[in-house]
Amino acid sequence: DAKTTQPPSMDCAEGRAANLPCNHSTISGNEYVYWYRQIHSQGPQYIIHGLKNNETNEMASLIITEDRKSSTLILPHATLRDTAVYYCIPGGAQKLVFGQGTRLTINP
Amino acid sequence: NAGVTQTPKFQVLKTGQSMTLQCAQDMNHNSMYWYRQDPGMGLRLIYYSASEGTTDKGEVPNGYNVSRLNKREFSLRLESAAPSQTSVYFCASSRLGGNYGYTFGSGTRLTVV
Repeated sequence: DAKTTQPPSMDCAEGRAANLPCNHSTISGNEYVYWYRQIHSQGPQYIIHGLKNNETNEMASLIITEDRKSSTLILPHATLRDTAVYYCIPGGAQKLVFGQGTRLTINP
Repeated sequence: NAGVTQTPKFQVLKTGQSMTLQCAQDMNHNSMYWYRQDPGMGLRLIYYSASEGTTDKGEVPNGYNVSRLNKREFSLRLESAAPSQTSVYFCASSRLGGNYGYTFGSGTRLTVV
């Protein structure tokens, strides 16, 4: 499994874009990058995933560098409800391996 | 559409007791998973079932057994509970291969005293 590095915590003002980085320099060519979040003590929630191209859905955008060694999850207009722990997970097709994630706090 | 349903939501066990955590999904997913999450930690995979009739160990399988009863149900059994198994247990499911995202249940909070 590829190793990931995420900042342990980040803050963002409400209404601004939240940019969450992830380093996954050991990712292999056929591994996707998945992003999940966990709000308080709830079960994790799927956000988005991608292989090479940038992806966008109703929740977020995912930017993957050309060498695929890092990615950034973008929440375009963060709200207080986006306060959560965000997990970047390479691979995941067969089983998800969670790291420590980034605790994102959205401030009013 | 309930998604992934876990029962019970809370449980207190005495050391040495046994119990089974139940998980059912109604999304016709092929793959199912059991994770545990200790306080302040990320989730760790206990066991998974890629498809009906198969099960495989994850990162932390010791002290647990699983049964994929049918396509909908995947149970986790603690034969002799230990305080180290105090945790929140999450069940998840996905289409075969997981490239469509996992759906998680709301968790079972287990305390072993």
